[in-house]
Amino acid sequence: EVRLVESGGGLVQPGGSLRLSCAASGFTFSSYWMHWVRQTPGKGLVWVSYIKSDGSGTNYADSVKGRFTISRDNAKNTLYLQMNSLRAEDTAVYYCVRDPYLGFDIWGQGTVVTVSS
Amino acid sequence: EIVMTQSPATLSVSPGDRAALSCRASQSVSSYLAWYLQKSGQAPRLLIYGASTRATGIPGRFSGSGSGTEFTLTISSLQSEDFAVYYCQQYNSWPYTFGQGTKVEIK
Repeated sequence: EVRLVESGGGLVQPGGSLRLSCAASGFTFSSYWMHWVRQTPGKGLVWVSYIKSDGSGTNYADSVKGRFTISRDNAKNTLYLQMNSLRAEDTAVYYCVRDPYLGFDIWGQGTVVTVSS
Repeated sequence: EIVMTQSPATLSVSPGDRAALSCRASQSVSSYLAWYLQKSGQAPRLLIYGASTRATGIPGRFSGSGSGTEFTLTISSLQSEDFAVYYCQQYNSWPYTFGQGTKVEIK
């Protein structure tokens, strides 16, 4: 079964850090670009970041550039999102997503990040 | 950034009826348009990619059309499991952007 499982979400104070992980199984992880997408009731679905299949390239939404870092370990079939200098507006459900260049075909169940004092 | 606008925000439909959802892009995205369905408490699920190609396992009652800036998702005969929120997404240029969603509810 093709599966993505996120972990690492939680409650963090403004200015704090969190690292999200996404464990992939059931497919050749190293063959796919991967993304993080977040969702809030107010702003809906928002793309956050991508990383190429071999990790050679990344990109970020302007809202997180300089604060978030995406990475991957293809030997461990795991995607990461290091989030620093967190703000209240980063509060969201974060999804790990697979990209076969045909839309986002596999989504994890999501992990909740809450930034609040 | 390409802005994706979906209409209507809410669509009230009876089971068995046909539903047509609209998605408009602020500039051309060619056919790099996907549709997703999201049920409450679940992650989005890919329905359509390339504006008109059904994803694996998606039933034939779902169809997509359009290109450039105007797109439509049609559900030919609504089933109980189809009442949910639908999102369009362009993947033609960065940043990839989503519409705000259309909620399809039972009339």
